[in-house]
Amino acid sequence: DTEVTQTPKHLVMGMTNKKSLKCEQHMGHRAMYWYKQKAKKPPELMFVYSYEKLSINESVPSRFSPECPNSSLLNLHLHALQPEDSALYLCASSQEEGYRNTGELFFGEGSRLTVL
Amino acid sequence: GEDVEQSLFLSVREGDSSVINCTYTDSSSTYLYWYKQEPGAGLQLLTYIFSNMDMKQDQRLTVLLNKKDKHLSLRIADTQTGDSAIYFCAESIRSSGSARQLTFGSGTQLTVLP
Repeated sequence: DTEVTQTPKHLVMGMTNKKSLKCEQHMGHRAMYWYKQKAKKPPELMFVYSYEKLSINESVPSRFSPECPNSSLLNLHLHALQPEDSALYLCASSQEEGYRNTGELFFGEGSRLTVL
Repeated sequence: GEDVEQSLFLSVREGDSSVINCTYTDSSSTYLYWYKQEPGAGLQLLTYIFSNMDMKQDQRLTVLLNKKDKHLSLRIADTQTGDSAIYFCAESIRSSGSARQLTFGSGTQLTVLP
């Protein structure tokens, strides 16, 4: 299994809604990432979890709240979002440092979020 | 700080070679990557090169690395219509624990004309 699975694929929500994006991997990777990508732009790093602990928060507004319940799962809780938060949200994972580790990030297909 | 630059657009005829260029600024990068993104999809790793290498060839793909000039290129031989996509170069530095921090270039939209 070399997949990162993200659900839902599409999400439409109002500015007062609370929703969550989910990400799952079963490759034994110990680092997981959330990226935000606007159309025709490169992905922008939001959060990094390493060994289930939040190691990087790239000054993301608190209306985005990440959670890593275990080493295979990563959630992104959404509350009181703005229309400008509409984007493709990508989850990724990478394996531990070590010999032969290429440092590759494995990406999911993304969750396309529209905020009305 | 890191900054990775790419030209935004490239058009080639089917069967020709494509060369996508990238410049980066962080000399401490250990790996450099090329990712491909098709419309509506996530990012797929095409190939990578370790910073102590000059060249890597993988079937139709050739990566060249000039560390002195901090220049990376991806050559796609015999380009096909299925190669039409956005191509991102990325540099990697180790962050913390098992994590790596990637900085992506702006992406090059490759259009393959029949």
